[in-house]
Amino acid sequence: NAGVTQTPKFRILKIGQSMTLQCTQDMNHNYMYWYRQDPGMGLKLIYYSVGAGITDKGEVPNGYNVSRSTTEDFPLRLELAAPSQTSVYFCASSKGQNYNEQFFGPGTRLTVL
Amino acid sequence: AQTVTQSQPEMSVQEAETVTLSCTYDTSESDYYLFWYKQPPSRQMILVIRQEAYKQQNATENRFSVNFQKAAKSFSLKISDSQLGDAAMYFCAYTITGNQFYFGTGTSLTVIP
Repeated sequence: NAGVTQTPKFRILKIGQSMTLQCTQDMNHNYMYWYRQDPGMGLKLIYYSVGAGITDKGEVPNGYNVSRSTTEDFPLRLELAAPSQTSVYFCASSKGQNYNEQFFGPGTRLTVL
Repeated sequence: AQTVTQSQPEMSVQEAETVTLSCTYDTSESDYYLFWYKQPPSRQMILVIRQEAYKQQNATENRFSVNFQKAAKSFSLKISDSQLGDAAMYFCAYTITGNQFYFGTGTSLTVIP
């Protein structure tokens, strides 16, 4: 199993540009999550999904959108990028409520200039 | 508000010695899961140990063990026989439902040869 994969690894955006961060997991996990990690800080939850077709906001959803059309994929969309969105983004997955261990992807480092 | 506090931004330990990382959390729920994650320079988040709140027995994984004090809402991590490979950021986290996870700001551990 590849686990959780994320693309791209690095990206530089200009203010106002848009992009999609890709996340795929091959563990047949129901739950998937997007986090951001700012320098010297812990992870903050952006969005999560408990299954295909179901998404919900986390602590810091503003400026982001997600979709979950399949169990495997959970892309994160940034519209109108702002410098405040400069961060490292992590995708994670887990089996669900009774199996709460999260498996993380390697992260995407995004810089908005 | 759900919060996790790691009061030690940085810690250091001599190789082969023991170190304890502190974590406190705030929740009014009685059933939840607690975690310690390790993040080495590669950025990959790795689960170190987890504890179910309904279990009184402290979790242990090889050289890693926890001191879980439910009434005090404290969840410290003890690393015994520290190794150079233990150098990393360590994050404490918890979840109630498996939907939302709350992370602390991390403790940077340095292992001195």
